[in-house]
Amino acid sequence: GNSVTQMEGPVTLSEEAFLTINCTYTATGYPSLFWYVQYPGEGLQLLLKATKADDKGSNKGFEATYRKETTSFHLEKGSVQVSDSAVYFCALSARGNKLVFGAGTILRVKS
Amino acid sequence: DTAVSQTPKYLVTQMGNDKSIKCEQNLGHDTMYWYKQDSKKFLKIMFSYNNKELIINETVPNRFSPKSPDKAHLNLHINSLELGDSAVYFCASSQDLTSGYTGELFFGEGSRLTVL
Repeated sequence: GNSVTQMEGPVTLSEEAFLTINCTYTATGYPSLFWYVQYPGEGLQLLLKATKADDKGSNKGFEATYRKETTSFHLEKGSVQVSDSAVYFCALSARGNKLVFGAGTILRVKS
Repeated sequence: DTAVSQTPKYLVTQMGNDKSIKCEQNLGHDTMYWYKQDSKKFLKIMFSYNNKELIINETVPNRFSPKSPDKAHLNLHINSLELGDSAVYFCASSQDLTSGYTGELFFGEGSRLTVL
């Protein structure tokens, strides 16, 4: 079946540090890949997505590249801010199938 | 105007009680979902409805019963509440999952259920 594995948290960084959150997937066919973010006290919202191999999704300074050869979709940001503190979920969806989420990674950014 | 709204936002109740959570979306979407998030932030899908028809029913105790009166509403009723039901329940919606849509889900703000 389809599954997503992402790095365990919490990840604690100082402001302006470089962020990487690893995500790998297992899927049949060619899924679409997503990163969702959940700010404290809120629901999840889409951060970025990529629908085919080598696509790069980007938003709010975050980016992730769909790597079919390594089945990965790692999230990166060059300089994090305190306001980026949230839970980040990697997810995949194959055509006609429900979204499958990873376990979530808590990010804490200190000033 | 909130796209996906859930009520109540907080719910505190005793074991054994029955409670309901309501969800409404004004996005014109065909598919709606219920997810459960535990204290470690793990997110698990419970149910999904497409145009009022149940299309996803994960392994959930039958004390949980979803109801979709129309495609803009999906309610969750829970009977005989147990301590382990304490969690945050999220409603979400998307375009038609059954026609192959693989895009974005829109989530409500969540309903935090505490069972004492």
